[in-house]
Amino acid sequence: DTAVSQTPKYLVTQMGNDKSIKCEQNLGHDTMYWYKQDSKKFLKIMFSYNNKELIINETVPNRFSPKSPDKAHLNLHINSLELGDSAVYFCASSPSAGGPYEQYFGPGTRLTVT
Amino acid sequence: DQQVKQNSPSLSVQEGRISILNCDYTNSMFDYFLWYKKYPAEGPTFLISISSIKDKNEDGRFTVFLNKSAKHLSLHIVPSQPGDSAVYFCAAYLAGGTSYGKLTFGQGTILTVHP
Repeated sequence: DTAVSQTPKYLVTQMGNDKSIKCEQNLGHDTMYWYKQDSKKFLKIMFSYNNKELIINETVPNRFSPKSPDKAHLNLHINSLELGDSAVYFCASSPSAGGPYEQYFGPGTRLTVT
Repeated sequence: DQQVKQNSPSLSVQEGRISILNCDYTNSMFDYFLWYKKYPAEGPTFLISISSIKDKNEDGRFTVFLNKSAKHLSLHIVPSQPGDSAVYFCAAYLAGGTSYGKLTFGQGTILTVHP
């Protein structure tokens, strides 16, 4: 009964490919997030959805496109993968976006672009 | 432009002693701070938080201190246990119309507690 799950856990692919990472939460939360942990280990927010509506869109290349089919799912699609996209991507959720609520994180997806 | 920084990449402590993890921030408008703990191959998990209107919050072995004038917060773990060995992330929250729950994280400090 994992609270926030991500698939796949590891993803190795070549430059130029398109790939997707899936995220699901069973906590009944309204808000979901995508974070990227870069080589310097900072966790940086990329996107946030509240009830399927995009509310945070940080300066992320257009090659990254989030999709939220319902409030329990937030997927991340990446087009034309580049070497610099190699990182660990974390999905998270929180009860709502209206405060500093504790965010629950998934286990992460380690993306390696060769 | 990193608004939250953890300048110590690692900390090593003996079991039973105090662990002190530090975090500095630059934006004086942050009004909430959180600490997360992360084990290898897992996502970060929430540990403890503090509002900017307070200077201390305690939860069992964990205490967070906030010094607003210095823009500094610290997490104290007493007594430290080997199971506390993990990466600790400091995060800050800025309330307001467009923040929408956005957390700004530091780069983490690896804590190792030796038996």
